[in-house]
Formats: sequence, C-alpha cells, structure tokens
Amino acid sequence: ETGVTQSPTHLIKTRGQQVTLRCSSQSGHNTVSWYQQALGQGPQFIFQYYREEENGRGNFPPRFSGLQFPNYSSELNVNALELDDSALYLCASSFGTGDSGNQPQHFGDGTRLSIL
Amino acid sequence: TQLLEQSPQFLSIQEGENLTVYCNSSSVFSSLQWYRQEPGEGPVLLVTVVTGGEVKKLKRLTFQFGDARKDSSLHITAAQPGDTGLYLCAGPDTSGTYKYIFGTGTRLKVLA
Repeated sequence: ETGVTQSPTHLIKTRGQQVTLRCSSQSGHNTVSWYQQALGQGPQFIFQYYREEENGRGNFPPRFSGLQFPNYSSELNVNALELDDSALYLCASSFGTGDSGNQPQHFGDGTRLSIL
Repeated sequence: TQLLEQSPQFLSIQEGENLTVYCNSSSVFSSLQWYRQEPGEGPVLLVTVVTGGEVKKLKRLTFQFGDARKDSSLHITAAQPGDTGLYLCAGPDTSGTYKYIFGTGTRLKVLA
C-alpha cells in the first residue's frame, strides 16, 4: 500500500511569485484535503477535493486554488505569494463519499514553503 | 465555525510519569480523531472516537470521548521519550461546510 506522497519537500520563493505543490493520494483513496500548518500551530483546513471538484473550503483567499485529477492526485496552487504564506503545507487523503465525515485521513510529510 | 481547544499547550515531564491532554469544544462533533506529529513529518492517526462516552486504549494511551461529544481526552501512562511529539485532536465540522478542524495542539516532551 503506497502512502501519501508530496513534492517538493522544501521550496523557497519570493513575494509575488506563484507556487504549485503536488500530492499523490494513498491507493484506494478518492478524497484529498490540503492544510496549512504554521510553526507551532495545528493544521488549518484549506480545501477538500472529491471527484475532481472542490468540496469544502476553509478561510483562505481565492489566490489559494487547487485541482484533483482522475487518478485522485492533487495540486495546490498559490498565487501572489505573501510572507505569511510561509508554512508547512500538508496533504491528506481518505476514502469518502464527499463529506469530511468520520473517514480517517492519512497525511503526507508536507512541503515546507518559505517566502523571502 | 466550530473550534477545538487543547490544553495544556506545552508539557514537559519525566519518563515514567502519567499525563492527560484535553480537547474541548462548545460544539458537538460527530467524531474526533487524535494524531501525533513529529518534527518534519505529517500527523499520524492514533485513534478515532465516534460514540459519546467511548473509551479506546492503544497500549499505554487511553482515549475518551465525552458523553456529549463536545470533548475528548488522551491519557498516557508511564510516558516514554518516544511519546515526545505534537498531539492534535481533530474532527469534521458538522455545520455542513465539509471543513475539517484541528485543535491548537499539545507539545509533549518526555525527558529520559
């Protein structure tokens, strides 16, 4: 069973740039969620994708967007990067029917994004 | 928006001691999950509790879901240095928004 993998592991960008982060879900999982985790804090929900559509969104501006592909992998795109976007970005996959429900989520090890 | 507050925020104890971490909300959750996260890694699921009053044990870890499903606790018996990490509770937002909410986290350090 292949776990959740994220790439890249680390990334350095400057303010105003754009970034794309990638996530391969665990085999058998059809739902992908993205989280932002600032240093010393719990993860904050960005959004969830199910059947290639956004299925729920946290309090993040529209410059945070995503995609889910037919193989259930996913991308997180962030435009017009700001210093406060520096964080660990986590991807989690689960098997669900479209709600975040009681299905356990399995996390990747994240992408550490630093904005200079 | 539902919130999950954890206490204490930080905990440093000696090996062999017992400890309890709390996860509280003013809202009802359909389930709560507990994760442990180590530096440089993603959170790892420890347990899911679903039924009010439920108690689950995982070796030296005991998890309890409050009767009203608004709170949960994690009790560790005879803590070991390997228990060091960030403990997070989390659950689905039941307001119909399909959000998933994490607690503020408890950072535990067990000293040998």
